[in-house]
Amino acid sequence: DTGVSQDPRHKITKRGQNVTFRCDPISEHNRLYWYRQTLGQGPEFLTYFQNEAQLEKSRLLSDRFSAERPKGSFSTLEIQRTEQGDSAMYLCASSFSADTEAFFGQGTRLTVV
Amino acid sequence: QKEVEQNSGPLSVPEGAIASLNCTYSDRGSQSFFWYRQYSGKSPELIMSIYSNGDKEDGRFTAQLNKASQYVSLLIRDSQPSDSATYLCAVRGGTDKLIFGTGTRLQVFP
Repeated sequence: DTGVSQDPRHKITKRGQNVTFRCDPISEHNRLYWYRQTLGQGPEFLTYFQNEAQLEKSRLLSDRFSAERPKGSFSTLEIQRTEQGDSAMYLCASSFSADTEAFFGQGTRLTVV
Repeated sequence: QKEVEQNSGPLSVPEGAIASLNCTYSDRGSQSFFWYRQYSGKSPELIMSIYSNGDKEDGRFTAQLNKASQYVSLLIRDSQPSDSATYLCAVRGGTDKLIFGTGTRLQVFP
């Protein structure tokens, strides 16, 4: 049984660089969510997909963030021109449908120096 | 008003006691409610889901939902030190996205 997989687990990057994270959801899960979490806070919604369609993107999300799910399977989250404030844990979750339980991957911890 | 509110804690309970964690939400159209446990430095782990009013029990955990009061709670019976973690309440509202509270930190002391 394979759960949600995220890669890489850790990323250290210099300010101004671009980074890309990958998420592989549980097989047959149509919904895929991206969240960001900083210390002492709950996961903050970034965006989510139903198959390959991006249904919603947080209004708080900068234009430097973009996400794709080209074939309705894995998804990528790209951050362009990273800033120190982007340092956080980036979490991916998937669910079978709109009203079923969502399961998280291990997360990608980003540190911008 | 935040969409999902939780007391940040810490909530400290002795080993063997019942821990009661509470959550309120603002979207009356919300249909699905979840509790996740998160250990420091780890990702959230689903422990309970509840969809209808009333109680739902699973082992030492009981989730309670009251849609009229927009309130959901989690009871942990016979609390163990290994239950010490942050408990996140999550609500799926009318837009179908999953919204989280800030979490309640639980400390169970021997």
